[in-house]
Amino acid sequence: DTGVSQDPRHKITKRGQNVTFRCDPISEHNRLYWYRQTLGQGPEFLTYFQNEAQLEKSRLLSDRFSAERPKGSFSTLEIQRTEQGDSAMYLCASSSYQGGAHYEQYFGPGTRLTVT
Amino acid sequence: DAKTTQPNSMESNEEEPVHLPCNHSTISGTDYIHWYRQLPSQGPEYVIHGLTSNVNNRMASLAIAEDRKSSTLILHRATLRDAAVYYCILRQGTNFGNEKLTFGTGTRLTIIP
Repeated sequence: DTGVSQDPRHKITKRGQNVTFRCDPISEHNRLYWYRQTLGQGPEFLTYFQNEAQLEKSRLLSDRFSAERPKGSFSTLEIQRTEQGDSAMYLCASSSYQGGAHYEQYFGPGTRLTVT
Repeated sequence: DAKTTQPNSMESNEEEPVHLPCNHSTISGTDYIHWYRQLPSQGPEYVIHGLTSNVNNRMASLAIAEDRKSSTLILHRATLRDAAVYYCILRQGTNFGNEKLTFGTGTRLTIIP
């Protein structure tokens, strides 16, 4: 039983550079979520997909951020022109939506981004 | 979204029960109460959820007040591995579902050996 995996686990980049993170959800999970967590705070929702369709985006997801899930399996989150305020842990989660509201989300270990 | 209020931190001795409170006075009739926890350097993990009745699973118990304005997560016998941040979250119970989890700052639980 492989859980949600994220790559890389750590990324250090210089301000202005572009970065891309990958998330591999639990196989057969049709929903995939991205969250961002800064130090001392709980995770904040960024966006989620059902299969390959992006169904909701937070206002936190500025136009420098883009997420894709092209084949309904893995997902990528790209940040263009990184800023120091983008430094955070980026968490991915997946779930199997069956029509009810009781499904749990399974989280990956996160990618810690440091922008210098 | 309805809000939850939790203490910032709590301490408990190892092998003793722990009661983690959560207030949600503006909860609506269709809101489910979910608990997640986040161990150090890990992503959050699901603990338990309920609507009106008390719930038990292998990890914990959830006690829900009769008026549903508060709930308590109960760890029956805390171990050092239970040291984590515990989040109480309300989720809408419509068929379509409120898809995102809205985390607060949670309760940081410290277990004393």
